[in-house]
Amino acid sequence: KQEVTQIPAALSVPEGENLVLNCSFTDSAIYNLQWFRQDPGKGLTSLLLIQSSQREQTSGRLNASLDKSSGRSTLYIAASQPGDSATYLCAVQANSKLTFGKGITLSVRP
Amino acid sequence: GAVVSQHPSWVICKSGTSVKIECRSLDFQATTMFWYRQFPKQSLMLMATSNEGSKATYEQGVEKDKFLINHASLTLSTLTVTSAHPEDSSFYICSARDSVAGGAYEQYFGPGTRLTVT
Repeated sequence: KQEVTQIPAALSVPEGENLVLNCSFTDSAIYNLQWFRQDPGKGLTSLLLIQSSQREQTSGRLNASLDKSSGRSTLYIAASQPGDSATYLCAVQANSKLTFGKGITLSVRP
Repeated sequence: GAVVSQHPSWVICKSGTSVKIECRSLDFQATTMFWYRQFPKQSLMLMATSNEGSKATYEQGVEKDKFLINHASLTLSTLTVTSAHPEDSSFYICSARDSVAGGAYEQYFGPGTRLTVT
Protein backbone atom coordinates (compact mmCIF):
# COMPACT_ATOMS: atom_id res chain seq x y z
CA LYS A 1 0.00 0.00 0.00
CA GLN A 2 1.35 3.39 -1.02
CA GLU A 3 2.15 5.77 1.82
CA VAL A 4 3.09 9.40 1.40
CA THR A 5 4.90 11.23 4.17
CA GLN A 6 5.49 14.92 4.58
CA ILE A 7 7.68 16.12 7.41
CA PRO A 8 7.53 18.45 9.27
CA ALA A 9 3.82 19.00 9.67
CA ALA A 10 4.33 22.73 10.12
CA LEU A 11 6.98 25.26 9.21
CA SER A 12 7.40 28.95 10.01
CA VAL A 13 9.91 31.12 8.15
CA PRO A 14 10.61 34.84 7.77
CA GLU A 15 9.65 36.55 4.57
CA GLY A 16 12.23 36.36 1.81
CA GLU A 17 13.67 33.03 2.81
CA ASN A 18 14.14 30.25 0.28
CA LEU A 19 12.70 27.00 1.53
CA VAL A 20 12.32 23.35 0.67
CA LEU A 21 9.35 21.15 1.43
CA ASN A 22 9.94 17.42 1.41
CA CYS A 23 7.74 14.52 0.38
CA SER A 24 8.53 10.81 0.44
CA PHE A 25 6.59 7.84 -0.85
CA THR A 26 7.00 4.12 -0.30
CA ASP A 27 6.20 2.63 -3.70
CA SER A 28 8.22 4.00 -6.60
CA ALA A 29 5.83 2.59 -9.22
CA ILE A 30 4.04 5.89 -9.74
CA TYR A 31 2.61 7.54 -12.82
CA ASN A 32 3.10 11.09 -11.65
CA LEU A 33 3.45 13.30 -8.59
CA GLN A 34 1.61 16.52 -7.90
CA TRP A 35 2.07 19.35 -5.45
CA PHE A 36 -1.04 21.19 -4.31
CA ARG A 37 -1.74 24.24 -2.24
CA GLN A 38 -4.71 24.37 0.12
CA ASP A 39 -5.84 27.51 1.91
CA PRO A 40 -7.89 27.10 5.12
CA GLY A 41 -11.39 25.84 4.39
CA LYS A 42 -10.75 25.78 0.66
CA GLY A 43 -10.20 23.22 -2.05
CA LEU A 44 -6.95 22.30 -3.74
CA THR A 45 -4.96 24.35 -6.19
CA SER A 46 -2.59 22.35 -8.36
CA LEU A 47 0.89 23.87 -8.34
CA LEU A 48 3.05 21.46 -10.28
CA LEU A 49 2.71 18.01 -11.83
CA ILE A 50 5.76 15.90 -12.57
CA GLN A 51 5.44 12.86 -14.79
CA SER A 52 7.36 9.78 -13.69
CA SER A 53 9.76 10.23 -16.62
CA GLN A 54 10.59 13.81 -15.59
CA ARG A 55 12.95 15.02 -12.92
CA GLU A 56 11.63 18.50 -12.27
CA GLN A 57 9.08 21.13 -13.13
CA THR A 58 9.17 24.88 -12.61
CA SER A 59 6.50 27.53 -12.32
CA GLY A 60 7.50 31.02 -11.29
CA ARG A 61 9.11 30.90 -7.85
CA LEU A 62 8.28 27.21 -7.48
CA ASN A 63 10.43 24.29 -8.50
CA ALA A 64 9.55 20.67 -7.85
CA SER A 65 11.92 17.78 -8.26
CA LEU A 66 11.28 14.05 -8.38
CA ASP A 67 13.61 11.18 -7.60
CA LYS A 68 11.40 8.21 -8.28
CA SER A 69 13.97 5.57 -7.44
CA SER A 70 14.48 6.90 -3.94
CA GLY A 71 10.82 7.79 -3.46
CA ARG A 72 11.38 11.49 -2.86
CA SER A 73 10.19 14.83 -4.10
CA THR A 74 10.96 18.36 -3.01
CA LEU A 75 9.12 21.61 -3.56
CA TYR A 76 11.44 24.60 -3.58
CA ILE A 77 9.92 28.02 -2.93
CA ALA A 78 12.16 30.97 -3.71
CA ALA A 79 11.93 34.31 -1.93
CA SER A 80 8.94 33.33 0.20
CA GLN A 81 6.13 35.83 0.76
CA PRO A 82 3.36 36.05 3.37
CA GLY A 83 0.92 35.14 0.60
CA ASP A 84 2.63 31.76 0.33
CA SER A 85 1.23 30.84 3.75
CA ALA A 86 -0.94 27.76 3.21
CA THR A 87 -0.85 23.99 3.49
CA TYR A 88 1.15 22.23 0.79
CA LEU A 89 0.10 18.72 -0.13
CA CYS A 90 2.05 16.17 -2.07
CA ALA A 91 0.22 13.39 -3.91
CA VAL A 92 1.36 10.46 -6.03
CA GLN A 93 -0.69 8.78 -8.71
CA ALA A 94 -0.65 5.06 -9.37
CA ASN A 95 -3.34 2.76 -10.73
CA SER A 96 -5.47 5.84 -11.51
CA LYS A 97 -5.60 6.80 -7.82
CA LEU A 98 -4.03 9.70 -5.98
CA THR A 99 -2.52 9.08 -2.55
CA PHE A 100 -1.99 12.21 -0.49
CA GLY A 101 0.38 13.14 2.28
CA LYS A 102 -0.96 15.01 5.30
CA GLY A 103 0.56 18.24 4.11
CA ILE A 104 2.94 20.84 5.48
CA THR A 105 1.40 23.99 6.90
CA LEU A 106 3.65 26.88 5.97
CA SER A 107 3.58 30.24 7.68
CA VAL A 108 5.65 33.06 6.21
CA ARG A 109 6.16 35.86 8.72
CA PRO A 110 6.29 39.45 7.42
CA GLY B 1 -9.77 25.96 -18.40
CA ALA B 2 -10.24 22.76 -16.38
CA VAL B 3 -12.65 24.17 -13.81
CA VAL B 4 -14.57 21.96 -11.42
CA SER B 5 -17.42 23.34 -9.36
CA GLN B 6 -19.21 21.96 -6.33
CA HIS B 7 -22.58 22.83 -4.91
CA PRO B 8 -23.34 23.65 -2.21
CA SER B 9 -20.14 25.08 -0.75
CA TRP B 10 -21.44 24.44 2.73
CA VAL B 11 -24.49 22.76 4.21
CA ILE B 12 -25.87 22.17 7.68
CA CYS B 13 -28.36 19.38 8.14
CA LYS B 14 -30.06 17.54 10.96
CA SER B 15 -29.10 14.05 11.96
CA GLY B 16 -31.06 11.45 10.02
CA THR B 17 -31.61 13.54 6.91
CA SER B 18 -29.94 13.12 3.51
CA VAL B 19 -27.75 15.62 1.71
CA LYS B 20 -26.80 15.75 -1.96
CA ILE B 21 -23.58 17.32 -3.19
CA GLU B 22 -23.03 18.08 -6.87
CA CYS B 23 -19.74 18.10 -8.71
CA ARG B 24 -19.53 19.54 -12.22
CA SER B 25 -16.74 19.84 -14.76
CA LEU B 26 -17.47 23.18 -16.38
CA ASP B 27 -15.28 23.24 -19.46
CA PHE B 28 -14.28 19.66 -20.11
CA GLN B 29 -15.75 16.19 -20.19
CA ALA B 30 -14.93 13.88 -17.32
CA THR B 31 -15.41 10.16 -17.76
CA THR B 32 -14.02 9.67 -14.28
CA MET B 33 -14.66 11.68 -11.15
CA PHE B 34 -13.40 11.08 -7.65
CA TRP B 35 -14.86 11.83 -4.22
CA TYR B 36 -12.65 12.55 -1.24
CA ARG B 37 -13.27 13.49 2.36
CA GLN B 38 -10.97 15.45 4.59
CA PHE B 39 -11.07 15.72 8.36
CA PRO B 40 -9.43 18.70 10.13
CA LYS B 41 -5.66 18.65 9.85
CA GLN B 42 -5.81 15.37 7.95
CA SER B 43 -5.12 14.51 4.38
CA LEU B 44 -7.64 13.76 1.68
CA MET B 45 -8.92 10.21 1.72
CA LEU B 46 -10.37 8.75 -1.45
CA MET B 47 -13.92 7.53 -0.88
CA ALA B 48 -14.89 6.34 -4.33
CA THR B 49 -14.18 6.52 -8.03
CA SER B 50 -17.14 7.45 -10.18
CA ASN B 51 -17.33 6.40 -13.83
CA GLU B 52 -19.90 7.87 -16.17
CA GLY B 53 -22.68 5.45 -16.88
CA SER B 54 -21.54 2.74 -14.49
CA LYS B 55 -21.48 1.97 -10.79
CA ALA B 56 -18.98 3.70 -8.58
CA THR B 57 -16.03 1.85 -7.11
CA TYR B 58 -15.78 2.37 -3.37
CA GLU B 59 -12.65 2.24 -1.27
CA GLN B 60 -12.38 -0.24 1.54
CA GLY B 61 -14.30 0.87 4.59
CA VAL B 62 -16.63 3.26 2.75
CA GLU B 63 -20.29 2.26 2.98
CA LYS B 64 -21.76 2.35 -0.50
CA ASP B 65 -25.33 2.38 0.83
CA LYS B 66 -24.59 5.41 2.93
CA PHE B 67 -22.64 7.39 0.35
CA LEU B 68 -24.59 7.11 -2.89
CA ILE B 69 -22.76 8.21 -5.99
CA ASN B 70 -24.32 8.88 -9.36
CA HIS B 71 -22.40 9.87 -12.48
CA ALA B 72 -25.14 10.26 -15.05
CA SER B 73 -23.35 12.53 -17.50
CA LEU B 74 -19.83 13.44 -18.57
CA THR B 75 -20.01 16.68 -16.60
CA LEU B 76 -21.92 15.81 -13.45
CA SER B 77 -21.43 13.49 -10.50
CA THR B 78 -23.43 13.59 -7.29
CA LEU B 79 -22.71 12.32 -3.80
CA THR B 80 -25.65 11.75 -1.50
CA VAL B 81 -24.98 11.25 2.18
CA THR B 82 -27.95 9.26 3.42
CA SER B 83 -29.20 9.27 7.00
CA ALA B 84 -26.42 11.63 7.98
CA HIS B 85 -24.91 11.50 11.46
CA PRO B 86 -22.61 13.96 13.24
CA GLU B 87 -19.61 11.75 12.46
CA ASP B 88 -20.27 12.36 8.75
CA SER B 89 -19.42 16.02 9.28
CA SER B 90 -16.42 16.66 7.10
CA PHE B 91 -15.06 18.49 4.09
CA TYR B 92 -15.99 16.67 0.89
CA ILE B 93 -13.97 17.38 -2.24
CA CYS B 94 -14.51 16.06 -5.73
CA SER B 95 -12.10 15.91 -8.60
CA ALA B 96 -12.43 15.17 -12.28
CA ARG B 97 -10.10 13.84 -14.91
CA ASP B 98 -10.24 15.26 -18.42
CA SER B 99 -11.34 12.44 -20.70
CA VAL B 100 -9.89 14.06 -23.80
CA ALA B 101 -6.56 15.33 -22.49
CA GLY B 102 -5.89 11.85 -21.16
CA GLY B 103 -2.17 11.40 -21.04
CA ALA B 104 -1.18 13.47 -18.02
CA TYR B 105 -4.00 11.94 -15.96
CA GLU B 106 -4.14 15.16 -14.03
CA GLN B 107 -7.07 15.53 -11.68
CA TYR B 108 -8.78 18.88 -11.30
CA PHE B 109 -10.30 19.58 -7.92
CA GLY B 110 -13.47 21.31 -6.88
CA PRO B 111 -13.58 23.89 -4.09
CA GLY B 112 -15.06 21.46 -1.59
CA THR B 113 -18.28 21.22 0.41
CA ARG B 114 -18.32 21.64 4.17
CA LEU B 115 -20.97 19.35 5.67
CA THR B 116 -22.05 19.83 9.27
CA VAL B 117 -24.55 17.41 10.75
CA THR B 118 -26.22 18.56 13.96
